[in-house]
Amino acid sequence: AQSVSQHNHHVILSEAASLELGCNYSYGGTVNLFWYVQYPGQHLQLLLKYFSGDPLVKGIKGFEAEFIKSKFSFNLRKPSVQWSDTAEYFCAVNAYGQNFVFGPGTRLSVLP
Amino acid sequence: NAGVMQNPRHLVRRRGQEARLRCSPMKGHSHVYWYRQLPEEGLKFMVYLQKENIIDESGMPKERFSAEFPKEGPSILRIQQVVRGDSAAYFCASSPPDRPFSGANVLTFGAGSRLTVL
Repeated sequence: AQSVSQHNHHVILSEAASLELGCNYSYGGTVNLFWYVQYPGQHLQLLLKYFSGDPLVKGIKGFEAEFIKSKFSFNLRKPSVQWSDTAEYFCAVNAYGQNFVFGPGTRLSVLP
Repeated sequence: NAGVMQNPRHLVRRRGQEARLRCSPMKGHSHVYWYRQLPEEGLKFMVYLQKENIIDESGMPKERFSAEFPKEGPSILRIQQVVRGDSAAYFCASSPPDRPFSGANVLTFGAGSRLTVL
């Protein structure tokens, strides 16, 4: 069975700091990888996705993620965070024909 | 092209009553997923359905909870005899037919239904 872990429960940063949120998954086969963001009081929105090709994926709002197959990781990065990035971030994995599995989420608080 | 539509957005029930949450997937999407989000907790998978079929219900409590996705109409998550612990936000998501490596298999979420049990 697939599982997803996220390294940090809550991350607090000041504006302009760099961000890296860890995500590891366990599954032996080919997977699709996602990061979703949930702004306060809102539903989940897709931030970026990886299916194949270049392991460095660029998403919306300056976010990117790197798929490292040997480490089963898909870490999310942003060079300079803004107060508006305050949200909960969920990593998810999906294999063909199977369910989407979400990590427990990482809450990001950006201090102005 | 309307997104995933959920209703009601807010539902208040007394203990012992029934709650019905509805979800209309995006046009062209044939897969529906239900998730529950409790305060200060992550997203918990409940059930994955295709039209007229339950594919994976491993996250659904064995009692009081049921889900369906009929040939016509929205998917419905039904909670019988609600208890206070059922208070949560219930999110529905949909995806298109699954094709390997297509890049199209992405979940689109609805705005959620917030259930409050008094």
